[in-house]
Amino acid sequence: EIVLTQSPGTLSLSPGERAILSCKASQTISNSYLAWYQQKPGQAPRLLIYGTSNGANGIPDRFSGGGSGTDFTLTISRLEPDDSAVYYCQQYGTSPRTFGQGTKVEIK
Amino acid sequence: QLQLQESGPGLLKPSETLSLTCTVSGGSIRSSSFYWGWIRQPPGKGLEWIGSIYYNRDTFYKTSLKSRVTISIDTSKNQFSLRLTSVTAADTAVYYCARDRYYYDSSGAVWGWFEPWGQGTLVTVSS
Repeated sequence: EIVLTQSPGTLSLSPGERAILSCKASQTISNSYLAWYQQKPGQAPRLLIYGTSNGANGIPDRFSGGGSGTDFTLTISRLEPDDSAVYYCQQYGTSPRTFGQGTKVEIK
Repeated sequence: QLQLQESGPGLLKPSETLSLTCTVSGGSIRSSSFYWGWIRQPPGKGLEWIGSIYYNRDTFYKTSLKSRVTISIDTSKNQFSLRLTSVTAADTAVYYCARDRYYYDSSGAVWGWFEPWGQGTLVTVSS
């Protein structure tokens, strides 16, 4: 199965700064079938991005995704306090679908 | 607005069978565009897809869990269920149900992302 490695483990930034989260796959993700989720403490994950760069319904355009092959990124521009959460990537190009271990974003 | 809610026992002993139900409200489980899936998250760890089911009862499971997992669906109740046999402490996790996007593109059939999710239910396996 495809292993997704996310980095950094924790990102601590101030409001207004830009966060760049990395998701590296152990093999090429076909058709860039990659999604990103946000999970706040005690809550279920929420879809942010699918198909590498398509924003889910209701997601602010401060969240953007990019990449191809084995290297993907989630960028959060102009961080807000409410963005404090763990972010997961998920690939759906190869079965079984797998998730990364998460990146925690802390807002100073 | 589509909502999902998990229900079932929160405490099991080793070797028992885990049984959870997901009730879907605000929309029909009989959709040609979606499967319905189960995902789990051990405490402090990442997410693991377990399996998914279609309204016509087509199912597929993560290979490593396949021998112990059964997912079923009751379209008359707008519910689908998870059964996991012979549980151990390693099965302790928050179990989520979620809508599983399914579509066709130039590559063929695609089982994609999960949205929305239920709130999750913690299942603890302990003697």
